[in-house]
Amino acid sequence: AQTVTQSQPEMSVQEAETVTLSCTYDTSENNYYLFWYKQPPSRQMILVIRQEAYKQQNATENRFSVNFQKAAKSFSLKISDSQLGDTAMYFCAFMPHFGNEKLTFGTGTRLTIIP
Amino acid sequence: NAGVTQTPKFQVLKTGQSMTLQCAQDMNHNSMYWYRQDPGMGLRLIYYSASEGTTDKGEVPNGYNVSRLNKREFSLRLESAAPSQTSVYFCASIAATTLYEQYFGPGTRLTVT
Repeated sequence: AQTVTQSQPEMSVQEAETVTLSCTYDTSENNYYLFWYKQPPSRQMILVIRQEAYKQQNATENRFSVNFQKAAKSFSLKISDSQLGDTAMYFCAFMPHFGNEKLTFGTGTRLTIIP
Repeated sequence: NAGVTQTPKFQVLKTGQSMTLQCAQDMNHNSMYWYRQDPGMGLRLIYYSASEGTTDKGEVPNGYNVSRLNKREFSLRLESAAPSQTSVYFCASIAATTLYEQYFGPGTRLTVT
């Protein structure tokens, strides 16, 4: 079974600064997907970024980028030029490449952007 | 294209009552999921359905039943609600064609008193 660990329950950062959220996972799989989901106060789950494990290049989406370290089983999310709208819960999630596309989530990091 | 819809958005039940949470998706996805979200515990998988007519247990299935009525609809039933089932429930669907992005419904906040 896979496990996903987010060791930072809460973080806060000043607007326009950069913040990094940590995620580690445990798996015996070699092929898998990793995701970061954002959950704002509206409760809607929104995909922020995804990484395929067979790709060495780190994924980026505008101000969001990841640092994927496969050997260390680490998948951190960096948010650059943080904005007030980035205030949300952030969940890291793991999906094996084979096996009914089930997601395993971490416990989340509550991020607050301070004006 | 409404995506994933869930009804109701809020519900209060008394212990022992039953109810069904409805979920539908209009994206022609094969796989559908039910999660519950509790404070400090992230989202945990209750049941999933890899295709029409098939269902399987997730991490926390006790106290729940599901029905995959057709490709679009996947319902979650609480036969005898308990206070421990107070939670926010999310339905989701997925397709390989979208690189396995799970699309989530807006959630149902359920309180059992």
